[in-house]
Amino acid sequence: KNQVEQSPQSLIILEGKNCTLQCNYTVSPFSNLRWYKQDTGRGPVSLTIMTFSENTKSNGRYTATLDADTKQSSLHITASQLSDSASYICVVKVGAAGNKLTFGGGTRVLVKP
Amino acid sequence: DAGVIQSPRHEVTEMGQEVTLRCKPISGHDYLFWYRQTMMRGLELLIYFNNNVPIDDSGMPEDRFSAKMPNASFSTLKIQPSEPRDSAVYFCASSPDRGWTEAFFGQGTRLTVV
Repeated sequence: KNQVEQSPQSLIILEGKNCTLQCNYTVSPFSNLRWYKQDTGRGPVSLTIMTFSENTKSNGRYTATLDADTKQSSLHITASQLSDSASYICVVKVGAAGNKLTFGGGTRVLVKP
Repeated sequence: DAGVIQSPRHEVTEMGQEVTLRCKPISGHDYLFWYRQTMMRGLELLIYFNNNVPIDDSGMPEDRFSAKMPNASFSTLKIQPSEPRDSAVYFCASSPDRGWTEAFFGQGTRLTVV
């Protein structure tokens, strides 16, 4: 069964600190992995998309890594800001023919001043 | 482009009533998706269209749910009759390519069925 598990479910960090979110998946065949940021009351917004051959991708203070062998991904937030408070959702796309997206449950991040 | 536009933003209705959610995708995008998000189940794909044709509706929970896309710039998701367990945030998203390289989400419609 295709599954995407995220950890932790939630975390609180102080402004300026770094944090790392985890995503483990059992999706097969793998097509790509995306990280989305969802602010409260808004739709998800894409942060990064990585294919099988990509190990790391950055978007400003957000850096995603992918280990296709262990089927793990992480999202690292550097020098957190209050605006980083949001839910972060890991989404894995099943192989091209299937056109299926499998969603993780998300990690809710709260950045405190 | 204004992005994906959904209406209404909020909807409160009584159990048994018909509810219609609306979506205008980004112009030129061939794929349109309807998602439902709840605290318990997270984001779930309900149905998606390609060039106005429904491709996969396996995520539609029951026959009470139906979706249409009469043209490239408009889609509806209808629930009839609505039930309290349908309360959720419903998102519409569109994508420009078959690989779904990127999907752009609307602001969502928060539905409350009382």
